[in-house]
Amino acid sequence: RKEVEQDPGPFNVPEGATVAFNCTYSNSASQSFFWYRQDCRKEPKLLMSVYSSGNEDGRFTAQLNRASQYISLLIRDSKLSDSATYLCVVPRPGSARQLTFGSGTQLTVLP
Amino acid sequence: GAVVSQHPSWVICKSGTSVKIECRSLDFQATTMFWYRQFPKQSLMLMATSNEGSKATYEQGVEKDKFLINHASLTLSTLTVTSAHPEDSSFYICSARQGVEAFFGQGTRLTVV
Repeated sequence: RKEVEQDPGPFNVPEGATVAFNCTYSNSASQSFFWYRQDCRKEPKLLMSVYSSGNEDGRFTAQLNRASQYISLLIRDSKLSDSATYLCVVPRPGSARQLTFGSGTQLTVLP
Repeated sequence: GAVVSQHPSWVICKSGTSVKIECRSLDFQATTMFWYRQFPKQSLMLMATSNEGSKATYEQGVEKDKFLINHASLTLSTLTVTSAHPEDSSFYICSARQGVEAFFGQGTRLTVV
């Protein structure tokens, strides 16, 4: 299994839709997980951190399933401004500070 | 939140020349900074870990003599792409972590012609 694996998409959804992305990881010892958002030609920005079973912030919900080693990101009531690439990020095995980035899932919210 | 500033945001250079990219942590000290490269439609790939006061750690396949890293202070790391070639054209991003969160510079889009 790859360190981090994501469905690349693209996901094209209408405004107001609910969309979910999954990410699988290989390091069973990982304790923290992150979802970053990257707009075209811009730097990634932290969207959510996940430490326990899940985290919710407004329209965004991240869930962690340690048994199956996957993390999901749910976006409710999609907005046009949610269009971006969503990166799943996990700590690198054996490293306290390095991170491994997934290849990203591209989302386009259509009017 | 913490701020990481990267400069320049874009640069075009001729083949064979060298380009220096600066990464600064503006409101916190970073003993470790990370340099990534991102090709179109691909994710960030770690190139090297920059350590203040000591040598950088390079990822497998990254030439340390071609990508020179200097982390001379707790707030500044530089990446120099030496003898750049068109295949080095990419988006280079630096990062530093404050706590568990990673903060990124704005990125440098390098085009070698």
